[in-house]
Amino acid sequence: EAGVAQSPRYKIIEKRQSVAFWCNPISGHATLYWYQQILGQGPKLLIQFQNNGVVDDSQLPKDRFSAERLKGVDSTLKIQPAKLEDSAVYLCASSLDTGIPLYEQYFGPGTRLTVT
Amino acid sequence: AQTVTQSQPEMSVQEAETVTLSCTYDTSESDYYLFWYKQPPSRQMILVIRQEAYKQQNATENRFSVNFQKAAKSFSLKISDSQLGDAAMYFCAFYNAGNMLTFGGGTRLMVKP
Repeated sequence: EAGVAQSPRYKIIEKRQSVAFWCNPISGHATLYWYQQILGQGPKLLIQFQNNGVVDDSQLPKDRFSAERLKGVDSTLKIQPAKLEDSAVYLCASSLDTGIPLYEQYFGPGTRLTVT
Repeated sequence: AQTVTQSQPEMSVQEAETVTLSCTYDTSESDYYLFWYKQPPSRQMILVIRQEAYKQQNATENRFSVNFQKAAKSFSLKISDSQLGDAAMYFCAFYNAGNMLTFGGGTRLMVKP
C-alpha cells in the first residue's frame, strides 16, 4: 500500500512570495488533514477535509492560507503572501474516515518551508 | 480546549535499557483517545500505540507499553529493551469526538550504544 505523498520536500522562498504544497493521500481515504509543525513543537492542525468538504479550518489563518481538495482526492495548501513565521514543516495526513470509531491517521514525509 | 504537556524535552537511554516518557493532559471529557507517535529524523510520523479512555487495561505493543492513569490525567510511554532505531521525537496526542487531534510539544529520545 502506497503511503501519503507530498511535494516538494523542501522549499525556500522570500517573505511576501507565494508557495503551494501538494498532497496525495492513501487511496480510499476519505479524510485529509494539513498540519503545521514549527521547529521544536508538535504538529498543529490547520484544516481537515472529509471528501471534498471542509470539516474544520478553525486554526487556518485565512487571510493568507488557503486549501482545497478537488474531487475528494489530492489536496493543495497555499500561502500568499508568506511571512517569516510561516517557516515550518507542513505535514499532510489521511485516514479512512473520521469520528468514532477512530481511524488511524497516516502521515506523509512533510514539506519543509523556509521563509527568508 | 484540550491541552497536552510533555515535560521532558530530551531523554537519554542506554541500548537494551528501559525508558519512560511522560505525558499529562487536561480535559473535562470522559470519553477520549490517547496516542504516542514517533517521528524519526526523516519526519514521517508513525503511530506507536493508542489507548481508549474507557479501557482500564494498559495498551501494549511489543516493546512499547503505556501507564494510563485516568484520574491523574497521565499517560506515560515505556520502551523496553531500547534499540538504536528507537531514537526519535516522541509526541503524545489526545483526541475526543468533535475535536481535533492535539499534540504535546514532544520529547527527543536519544539511544546510546
